[in-house]
Amino acid sequence: GAVVSQHPSWVICKSGTSVKIECRSLDFQATTMFWYRQFPKQSLMLMATSNEGSKATYEQGVEKDKFLINHASLTLSTLTVTSAHPEDSSFYICSARGEVGKNIQYFGAGTRLSVL
Amino acid sequence: DAKTTQPTSMDCAEGRAANLPCNHSTISGNEYVYWYRQIHSQGPQYIIHGLKNNETNEMASLIITEDRKSSTLILPHATLRDTAVYYCIVRVGGIKAAGNKLTFGGGTRVLVKP
Repeated sequence: GAVVSQHPSWVICKSGTSVKIECRSLDFQATTMFWYRQFPKQSLMLMATSNEGSKATYEQGVEKDKFLINHASLTLSTLTVTSAHPEDSSFYICSARGEVGKNIQYFGAGTRLSVL
Repeated sequence: DAKTTQPTSMDCAEGRAANLPCNHSTISGNEYVYWYRQIHSQGPQYIIHGLKNNETNEMASLIITEDRKSSTLILPHATLRDTAVYYCIVRVGGIKAAGNKLTFGGGTRVLVKP
């Protein structure tokens, strides 16, 4: 099946620093990638949708300057949390969808971000 | 996308079939029913999806009522590893369809007991 790899799985950083999370589709070309965040005991919330080579579309209430998304190739998207603060601590999950698999979104294992 | 309603939680016996209901009474003709599950601290895992016909794969079966207003996910022989939150999601079909993204609700927290 389609595999989405996300790295790192866990990161701790100091307040004010930036953190980059990578999402790769390993065995298919992802025309569209999605970024979600999930707080403890809550459901996943979509942050943004990105298509390869174009700007990401952010959901209402998500700061585009805070959460920078780059989808430079058909197999790689990155999410950079800029000037992270403790309230940004969360579980970030990427998802990828390509031509394969009949319009199915496949998910990475997630990245747990802790901002001190 | 149409909204779905699922039980908040349910317990299942190991080795028995688990039947997970989902109500989607406002589903449109071009919307598919998707099921995902999320095991604790992991990303969601795709299970199955369908439009109007019943579907079966190696993980589960999906039964969609004739009026498409509800569906049931069946795990034929539940194991302890099936303990997870199960999400029923309705989404417009077609890769380029407007609004073609997965929106997660609360899901059903399934606990498989020995």
